[in-house]
Amino acid sequence: SSELTQDPAVAVALGQTVRITCQGDSLRSHHASWYQQKPGQAPVLVIYGKNNRPSGIPDRFSGSSSGNTASLTITGAQAEDEADYYCNSRDSSGNHHYVFGTGTKVTVL
Amino acid sequence: QVQLQESGPGLVKPSETLSLTCSVFGGSISSYYWSWIRQPPGKGLEWIGYIHSTGNINYNPSLTSRLSLSIDTSKNQFSLRLRSVTAADTAVYYCARIGAGEAGDAFDIWGQGTMVTFSS
Repeated sequence: SSELTQDPAVAVALGQTVRITCQGDSLRSHHASWYQQKPGQAPVLVIYGKNNRPSGIPDRFSGSSSGNTASLTITGAQAEDEADYYCNSRDSSGNHHYVFGTGTKVTVL
Repeated sequence: QVQLQESGPGLVKPSETLSLTCSVFGGSISSYYWSWIRQPPGKGLEWIGYIHSTGNINYNPSLTSRLSLSIDTSKNQFSLRLRSVTAADTAVYYCARIGAGEAGDAFDIWGQGTMVTFSS
């Protein structure tokens, strides 16, 4: 399968920890990348590779993976973390195609 | 700091061809792979395809029959042509850079996006 599945929505209290998951066969052999998208804006890369943050991304964002599931964890969520989050990876076809997850809306309460 | 800027018509008639260009500022287009991604209103992201200046091109299988990507290294631009468009192609179209090294599977820099609507 070339699909990546995410929970549609999750809520987290201010300052608490939230984990967003992404499931798909391709994740058994490819790392997931994670993107944050706020309304009306382009996505921003927050995690890539095994668990790497681009310059400027706070260290409260971290990534992990096990089997066919990748996770993005926000430790100590802030109000500005409220956004849509998408995972992506190469698909499992072997043809170097890319696929995005279905997206998760994170609400900070 | 590399920046990307999409350009093209915001309104296209059904059955016509959509043409978009992405200009790369602050770095050479020759060193990376470049991609197009789209997002229908209120929906998720869809990978369209990627291109490299060496001629390596790859398309989303669902768009292969209608899609052409090209690159102009002299202008530091790459382009998309999508033929026989329908209302289902209405979306924000983003251009993005595919990273290098361990970021080689990630889209590390994005343009601001351009909304394309199809209407007769």
